[in-house]
Amino acid sequence: AQKITQTQPGMFVQEKEAVTLDCTYDTSDPSYGLFWYKQPSSGEMIFLIYQGSYDQQNATEGRYSLNFQKARKSANLVISASQLGDSAMYFCAMREGRSNFGNEKLTFGTGTRLTIIP
Amino acid sequence: NAGVTQTPKFQVLKTGQSMTLQCAQDMNHNSMYWYRQDPGMGLRLIYYSASEGTTDKGEVPNGYNVSRLNKREFSLRLESAAPSQTSVYFCASIRSGTGGKTQYFGPGTRLLVL
Repeated sequence: AQKITQTQPGMFVQEKEAVTLDCTYDTSDPSYGLFWYKQPSSGEMIFLIYQGSYDQQNATEGRYSLNFQKARKSANLVISASQLGDSAMYFCAMREGRSNFGNEKLTFGTGTRLTIIP
Repeated sequence: NAGVTQTPKFQVLKTGQSMTLQCAQDMNHNSMYWYRQDPGMGLRLIYYSASEGTTDKGEVPNGYNVSRLNKREFSLRLESAAPSQTSVYFCASIRSGTGGKTQYFGPGTRLLVL
């Protein structure tokens, strides 16, 4: 079974609109962390946002927020007021288990290619 | 402070050739990781090193070896390259105990095996 599922291979969104990128995860470990990364066409991996399994509040970082629904095992990324520079691949990833010495291995989804239309 | 650096940026190999991908970080991080990214897929973990002197297999270790030379450097070796190893390789490092929030990736090495 896939540990991280991203069901939207590609999305087109009008500039300045909000966009939600879907991510569902599968783990039986009560301790885990969820991440979103952005990969522009230049290829580097850029960390966007993190949500811990015990965090009570949804994570926010500027225009990025993570809609964490634990019972549904979903961790959707919301980008408010999209910009042309948001066009990129977006990856959801998970760390299973408590974060400790050396246990920060990530499992990635297959990604969503987001294109912002002017 | 250069972060995570990788060399080379791009390499073409013939089947059966060997090569070593180099990774170095200057952030005094304990843990280092090697991932590969194939078209249409996310990153998959090849090997990782929780600390200097230790290495462990990840999800796709076959055909690779690694060396944690010191705290700064973590190299990935392909002993006999195969076309299936054509991929983009990313090195990452992290300061342990931060929940993974400070995982830094290098710029990647694009490898083509003919």
